[in-house]
Amino acid sequence: AQRVTQPEKLLSVFKGAPVELKCNYSYSGSPELFWYVQYSRQRLQLLLRHISRESIKGFTADLNKGETSFHLKKPFAQEEDSAMYYCALNPLRNQGGKLIFGQGTELSVKP
Amino acid sequence: GAVVSQHPSRVICKSGTSVKIECRSLDFQATTMFWYRQFPKQSLMLMATSNEGSKATYEQGVEKDKFLINHASLTLSTLTVTSAHPEDSSFYICSAPSTSGGILFFGPGTRLTVL
Repeated sequence: AQRVTQPEKLLSVFKGAPVELKCNYSYSGSPELFWYVQYSRQRLQLLLRHISRESIKGFTADLNKGETSFHLKKPFAQEEDSAMYYCALNPLRNQGGKLIFGQGTELSVKP
Repeated sequence: GAVVSQHPSRVICKSGTSVKIECRSLDFQATTMFWYRQFPKQSLMLMATSNEGSKATYEQGVEKDKFLINHASLTLSTLTVTSAHPEDSSFYICSAPSTSGGILFFGPGTRLTVL
């Protein structure tokens, strides 16, 4: 079955601390994975996708096929990083857009 | 980037009435749009896929007669919550995929409160 799991509902860290939001997936093919973010009172937006292999707002995520994971990391968290983060899988690579979302992790960065 | 709008942003209605929510792609065409429910600090629940020119595809457990979807044009999809009840109160979000497929552009959401 195709599934995305984010085991942490809430992650609370202090400003300047490293942060890792976990994401594991279940998919038989070659996955296309994303992280979406929703800041308070704002719409969901794309943060990054694994294909791009880029760092956005200091966040990176590496696809680990062996562990079927796509964890989101940032070495030094900032207060403005506080938001809901969703890991998502696109089972129809390069088409469709019917993403499978994880349950979401609320990141709270305290001063 | 591409923009998706929703209207209204919030609506309060009485139990038993119907409410229509519009989702528009402002600067691109979308043959497909997706409708979600989002509960507070929880995941997105995909309700249905709206298809321009054909019937919507509903996810398991979603009542198609209660949540009517019409994709009237390449830039507009509507979700009508019929005979709304308090348990239908939620945050409804639409999205449209980019031309490359995997990236979704989300609307700002509609807060529905049924009294």
